[in-house]
Amino acid sequence: SQQGEEDPQALSIQEGENATMNCSYKTSINNLQWYRQNSGRGLVHLILIRSNEREKHSGRLRVTLDTSKKSSSLLITASRAADTASYFCATGLQGAQKLVFGQGTRLTINP
Amino acid sequence: GAGVSQSPSNKVTEKGKDVELRCDPISGHTALYWYRQSLGQGLEFLIYFQGNSAPDKSGLPSDRFSAERTGGSVSTLTIQRTQQEDSAVYLCASSFSAGQGIEAFFGQGTRLTVV
Repeated sequence: SQQGEEDPQALSIQEGENATMNCSYKTSINNLQWYRQNSGRGLVHLILIRSNEREKHSGRLRVTLDTSKKSSSLLITASRAADTASYFCATGLQGAQKLVFGQGTRLTINP
Repeated sequence: GAGVSQSPSNKVTEKGKDVELRCDPISGHTALYWYRQSLGQGLEFLIYFQGNSAPDKSGLPSDRFSAERTGGSVSTLTIQRTQQEDSAVYLCASSFSAGQGIEAFFGQGTRLTVV
């Protein structure tokens, strides 16, 4: 079964609004990453947060991590049409090398 | 520099045939991953290579699936006796060594259609 689960599965908002996506995971992690996927092809890395960090920023992106709740959120502020994509969280499991991805959130920004 | 390259971009094959999918990772990356993504779904982990260590094959769905990585660089994913349920996009990614906490770079994938 997948380690991470994103919520919601789909999100549609107006351009300029903020978009928040959540990721929950099951086992202890070393780090959590967020990726974006356009048109069902290659993924692009957005941001990584380590297990000892609680919040991280990169441009219009803000990621939080709550290890006690085993959850993370990705906030995109002032959304743009170009932000339309699927967003995935990926966890690096303790004791394992592989990255495990969630099911993703499909984000649509309406002009 | 060049990113992760996958070939072919698209592959249509008849049920029962074998297929080979190729991945050229970024030069110097010692870690290489294969994932499978069905339409509208998440990424399903298949196999992970790290340097000269034994690969993590825990995600391979059946013994029809195999992968190798020659010389620590190019990797080939082979699917024998393809089935319709094998239809998906197969994504390859690579990263620097020491696995975790490292950004993975993805190729554009191979879209496999089994008819």
